[in-house]
Amino acid sequence: GESVGLHLPTLSVQEGDNSIINCAYSNSASDYFIWYKQESGKGPQFIIDIRSNMDKRQGQRVTVLLNKTVKHLSLQIAATQPGDSAVYFCAENNYRVMLTFGGGTRLMVKP
Amino acid sequence: DADVTQTPRNRITKTGKRIMLECSQTKGHDRMYWYRQDPGLGLQLIYYSFDVKDINKGEISDGYSVSRQAQAKFSLSLESAIPNQTALYFCATSAAESYEQYFGPGTRLTVT
Repeated sequence: GESVGLHLPTLSVQEGDNSIINCAYSNSASDYFIWYKQESGKGPQFIIDIRSNMDKRQGQRVTVLLNKTVKHLSLQIAATQPGDSAVYFCAENNYRVMLTFGGGTRLMVKP
Repeated sequence: DADVTQTPRNRITKTGKRIMLECSQTKGHDRMYWYRQDPGLGLQLIYYSFDVKDINKGEISDGYSVSRQAQAKFSLSLESAIPNQTALYFCATSAAESYEQYFGPGTRLTVT
């Protein structure tokens, strides 16, 4: 498949373990954050979002944590599966209702 | 997801050639975007359009132009392609006043 980033930070986890992907954002005025998953050869797909009035939001097997004090966002994936292997991007809102994307982290799941 | 389609999916072209990448959407969204993705980097915004008559430059618009032919169609052109425009190109859409963007499958462009 296509490689979307040869030099991305990589997180390698064992199947069944939990994964934590981190993201530092730049704008203290941002009030909306979103995580995307990009599988090889595909466009990014929405995973979960969170607004700045929340510290935590849970979805199916995923949890996003927001620490506004240090401008840090994390994505936790429970019981990581081979299908979770992908590049994960965080994004924050900016002016005119748009998103600024981070550089991405590659998650590799070992069987 | 067939809601946002891009053509072509792969294209190899030569330096100096004009090339157009096309994007169509069936989501009924007013807002459309073109992004570029290089290895090791995130998504960089080239152009965006909030409706047919509202087109704006993004952070890396030099060497590119766009056309919003209709609400559902947004095309990206490279007037004279150069090798450093070799990249993955993504189109995205969003509803008005919504941050969530829906992406197409991408076009891999190689300029030799």
